[in-house]
Amino acid sequence: QKEVEQNSGPLSVPEGAIASLNCTYSDRGSQSFFWYRQYSGKSPELIMFIYSNGDKEDGRFTAQLNKASQYVSLLIRDSQPSDSATYLCAVIQGAQKLVFGQGTRLTINP
Amino acid sequence: DVKVTQSSRYLVKRTGEKVFLECVQDMDHENMFWYRQDPGLGLRLIYFSYDVKMKEKGDIPEGYSVSREKKERFSLILESASTNQTSMYLCASSLAPEQFFGPGTRLTVL
Repeated sequence: QKEVEQNSGPLSVPEGAIASLNCTYSDRGSQSFFWYRQYSGKSPELIMFIYSNGDKEDGRFTAQLNKASQYVSLLIRDSQPSDSATYLCAVIQGAQKLVFGQGTRLTINP
Repeated sequence: DVKVTQSSRYLVKRTGEKVFLECVQDMDHENMFWYRQDPGLGLRLIYFSYDVKMKEKGDIPEGYSVSREKKERFSLILESASTNQTSMYLCASSLAPEQFFGPGTRLTVL
C-alpha cells in the first residue's frame, strides 16, 4: 500500500461546479497535511495545509480532514478554468519530510 | 515572498558526465530538499538537509550526492549521469513544515 494515495484522474468538472479531490494515507500517526497545485510545466505551489480534524476554509478552497478514516480532501467551489492543474496531496513524515501522492489531474470545462 | 532559484531550467548531459544542480533560497530557511518528478511516479525525495553540512538520505539517494556548505545553497550532484536519471529535478526550501519549491530543472541524459 502506498503511503499517500490519490486518484490520478483526469477529473473533469464543469465551470462553476464544486471540484472534489480526495487523498488517503496509511500512517495513522500523521499529523500535518498539505495540498499543492501544480500547473503544467511549473513547480508545485502550496494551497492549503490542515492539522486538525474537520474543515478549513480559505476563499474558494476547503480542506477536510478525517483522521479516523485516514483521508483528507480538497473542495474547490465555483470552479474556474484557471483551476485546471494537477493537485498533489502531501503528508508530513517525521519532523520535516513530506510524502507526496501521485497527484490528481483536474480539468475545468468552460 | 520566499524565493527559491535553480541554476538551470533545462540541461542536457551525456552518460557518464558529472552533473551539478544548484539551488539557492533567500529566506534563511534551515531545511532544504531535492526531489525528482517523473510521470506516474510523482515527487520522490532524493536528499534533504536540516542545516549546513548536514544531509539525510531520502527515498531514492542511489546515484546522487549533495553538498551544503552555506545555509542558502544546496547542491545535487550526479556523480556519473545515466539515462535513467533523465527527469525533472525540484529543489524546495522549508519554513517548517511548509515547503516552497524552485522552478525545476529538466535534465536530459543522452
